[in-house]
Amino acid sequence: EAGVAQSPRYKIIEKRQSVAFWCNPISGHATLYWYQQILGQGPKLLIQFQNNGVVDDSQLPKDRFSAERLKGVDSTLKIQPAKLEDSAVYLCASNTIQGVNEQFFGPGTRLTVL
Amino acid sequence: AQTVTQSQPEMSVQEAETVTLSCTYDTSESDYYLFWYKQPPSRQMILVIRQEAYKQQNATENRFSVNFQKAAKSFSLKISDSQLGDAAMYFCAYRSEYWGGSEKLVFGKGTKLTVNP
Repeated sequence: EAGVAQSPRYKIIEKRQSVAFWCNPISGHATLYWYQQILGQGPKLLIQFQNNGVVDDSQLPKDRFSAERLKGVDSTLKIQPAKLEDSAVYLCASNTIQGVNEQFFGPGTRLTVL
Repeated sequence: AQTVTQSQPEMSVQEAETVTLSCTYDTSESDYYLFWYKQPPSRQMILVIRQEAYKQQNATENRFSVNFQKAAKSFSLKISDSQLGDAAMYFCAYRSEYWGGSEKLVFGKGTKLTVNP
């Protein structure tokens, strides 16, 4: 079974530029999560999708961050414009149905904002 | 809001020895789940072990076991017979049992485990 795929793996941009990250969850996984992991900290949820609907985006900085999962499969997270404090690893995770099922994580995208 | 605290930023252990990583959490909920995740350097995060709060018996997965103290809100991870491949960041995480809403994991800051040969 293929795991959660993310691209790109690394991205360097200058502040005020835009950037987008892509995630393809494990096949059949209805729930998809985007986490932000700042260096030295644990991951923090940005947004949770159930199929193509948003379940939780309470910690998403909506003035600059946006995410979509149009067909209930892959997802894109965008930052526009980026700030220095957005430098972090962006992790995508997925699991099957709502429940205690394990969240499977992708390798992450490391973003550096200069 | 729930919080998770890992008070040991770094730990080290000799190969084949036993090490315990600490985790405490704060919640007003009675039903929830607790997890330990492992994040090797430059590799993706994987689940090590899971504990349901309603279960009194401590979870065990091969060399990994937990000591779950619900009243004390403590959830420590014991790694027995440590191996070089156990070297990684270990994160303790909490998840509410609330159905129909957010299933987010609330993570601690992590403990970096070094295994010395």
